[in-house]
Amino acid sequence: SQTIHQWPATLVQPVGSPLSLECTVEGTSNPNLYWYRQAAGRGLQLLFYSVGIGQISSEVPQNLSASRPQDRQFILSSKKLLLSDSGFYLCAWSGGSYEQYFGPGTRLTVT
Amino acid sequence: RKEVEQDPGPFNVPEGATVAFNCTYSNSASQSFFWYRQDCRKEPKLLMSVYSSGNEDGRFTAQLNRASQYISLLIRDSKLSDSATYLCVVNPNKLIFGTGTLLAVQP
Repeated sequence: SQTIHQWPATLVQPVGSPLSLECTVEGTSNPNLYWYRQAAGRGLQLLFYSVGIGQISSEVPQNLSASRPQDRQFILSSKKLLLSDSGFYLCAWSGGSYEQYFGPGTRLTVT
Repeated sequence: RKEVEQDPGPFNVPEGATVAFNCTYSNSASQSFFWYRQDCRKEPKLLMSVYSSGNEDGRFTAQLNRASQYISLLIRDSKLSDSATYLCVVNPNKLIFGTGTLLAVQP
């Protein structure tokens, strides 16, 4: 069966510091991968998606970036965090259907 | 107008009650529809897909009305464990999530 991992689970970072969040999927090949952010009291916002290694599409202009160095690895990065980057970051994967399955998420607090 | 609109609730219902949530969407080109469940501070989990003919999974029934552009979720015989936020999701070309409806089932 497929499983999706994210780490770290929680993170507290100062403004201006870099960020790297990692997501890995097991049990499937060539998944579509997604990064979402959920701010407090708000809906999920799609940040990036990837249909293959090195293929990244950005949905929202921001100071975040994503990379997919391996088939089942998706990384979310920032060079300098802003206060507004605080939120719950979720990685998701999908296969041949439109259904998406989420990892446990990373709760980021920028101070 | 929001792409996906849901009543935020909370819906406070006693155990055993039947509760229904509605969701409206704005993009008539949407082709697939889902309900997700999200527990507090956890990731969303797929509850069920919503098919044109309607579908049922145990105590849960989902309906789609394309003409009126709304989706519904009916939960029968509510359990304490049903307490969560229910997210309506539509897919015109990517998944668009509603902000969710909070359900609190009371003992």
